[in-house]
Amino acid sequence: GQNIDQPTEMTATEGAIVQINCTYQTSGFNGLFWYQQHAGEAPTFLSYNVLDGLEEKGRFSSFLSRSKGYSYLLLKELQMKDSASYLCAVIDSNYQLIWGAGTKLIIKP
Amino acid sequence: DVKVTQSSRYLVKRTGEKVFLECVQDMDHENMFWYRQDPGLGLRLIYFSYDVKMKEKGDIPEGYSVSREKKERFSLILESASTNQTSMYLCASSLLTDRTTGELFFGEGSRLTVL
Repeated sequence: GQNIDQPTEMTATEGAIVQINCTYQTSGFNGLFWYQQHAGEAPTFLSYNVLDGLEEKGRFSSFLSRSKGYSYLLLKELQMKDSASYLCAVIDSNYQLIWGAGTKLIIKP
Repeated sequence: DVKVTQSSRYLVKRTGEKVFLECVQDMDHENMFWYRQDPGLGLRLIYFSYDVKMKEKGDIPEGYSVSREKKERFSLILESASTNQTSMYLCASSLLTDRTTGELFFGEGSRLTVL
């Protein structure tokens, strides 16, 4: 079957760096997304990776290794507003999106 | 600003009632989707639509139906609500030409409680 694994919850300190991992086993691969979802709000797009390597976008970076079935989202200079759930999703060979359960990130002062 | 609007943020219904959840997008997107989101689970696709009057079953279509009479509107219908349909329902849209990247634009969700 198809599976995406992310940690359920992580805690980090304001101003620090945190890495949220995502591992996947899917039938084919056509890209990986990260979305951010604040409590009670809509998920919003953060990043898309289809080639191996690191994509940097301001304080957020996303890394992909297709051979390892692995991605991470790196958040730098953490702010309180980064407290949210982070959703990993993979496009499989049928162009269907497979979603992880999400990682709840708690930022402490 | 692009926008996906869901008609109701919170609903409480009784078992057996018919429930309509409406979703409207103003981005002229071809693709529209209905997901449900439950704690500890990833988003699960109920139905999607690539064009007006077209619909495709997702992973968990049982107990649900959909309607897409106009491009901008995609409705989810629960013919006879049951307690196991208590959930957060998310509508999303995307461009047809954007299939390979598939960036989704989500509504804020409709939290349905079935008593």
